[in-house]
Amino acid sequence: DTAVSQTPKYLVTQMGNDKSIKCEQNLGHDTMYWYKQDSKKFLKIMFSYNNKELIINETVPNRFSPKSPDKAHLNLHINSLELGDSAVYFCASSRERQERRPLHFGNGTRLTVT
Amino acid sequence: SQKIEQNSEALNIQEGKTATLTCNYTNYSPAYLQWYRQDPGRGPVFLLLIRENEKEKRKERLKVTFDTTLKQSLFHITASQPADSATYLCALADNNDMRFGAGTRLTVKP
Repeated sequence: DTAVSQTPKYLVTQMGNDKSIKCEQNLGHDTMYWYKQDSKKFLKIMFSYNNKELIINETVPNRFSPKSPDKAHLNLHINSLELGDSAVYFCASSRERQERRPLHFGNGTRLTVT
Repeated sequence: SQKIEQNSEALNIQEGKTATLTCNYTNYSPAYLQWYRQDPGRGPVFLLLIRENEKEKRKERLKVTFDTTLKQSLFHITASQPADSATYLCALADNNDMRFGAGTRLTVKP
């Protein structure tokens, strides 16, 4: 069984469009995350979220917004897509938002904006 | 500013040798440091965690050291195999969120 699953795996869209990426985890974890991996392979935190608190990386444009219908899901909505948004987006989860807790990642969504 | 540097973008070694990967950091005081493996088209997978008061941690053929004075972690794979070929990422916690190095791409040649 897949622990952290994301859909779609590939997403190609045009500038200006609005798109969503879905993420689900079946590990019973309390905290979920979105990371962006750019062309240089740096993984950068975008959001971390549990049922109590959303922490947003201040460098993330407000065109990006996480939505959590329940503890097992954290979707990523992106409005007015730009060329620079092209990257691989990873969802992750951990048992708690604590620095010692390992992260469990999905396999990523490759977003291409044309 | 805080930095995490994995100072080898790519490392090629012969099967059977020990691979040593380096992670250096500045302007951090991490309590924990983690290592992940990432294969092409996949998400990172957790390998090992080492605490600041631990000098060394082992798991099968893997060994991690953590020197808070040098601000450095070394990641060793002994008796390396072609299946160990992947990108290895070190990660430090920053305000409860994980911050990653850019990774070292390891290729083990038969």
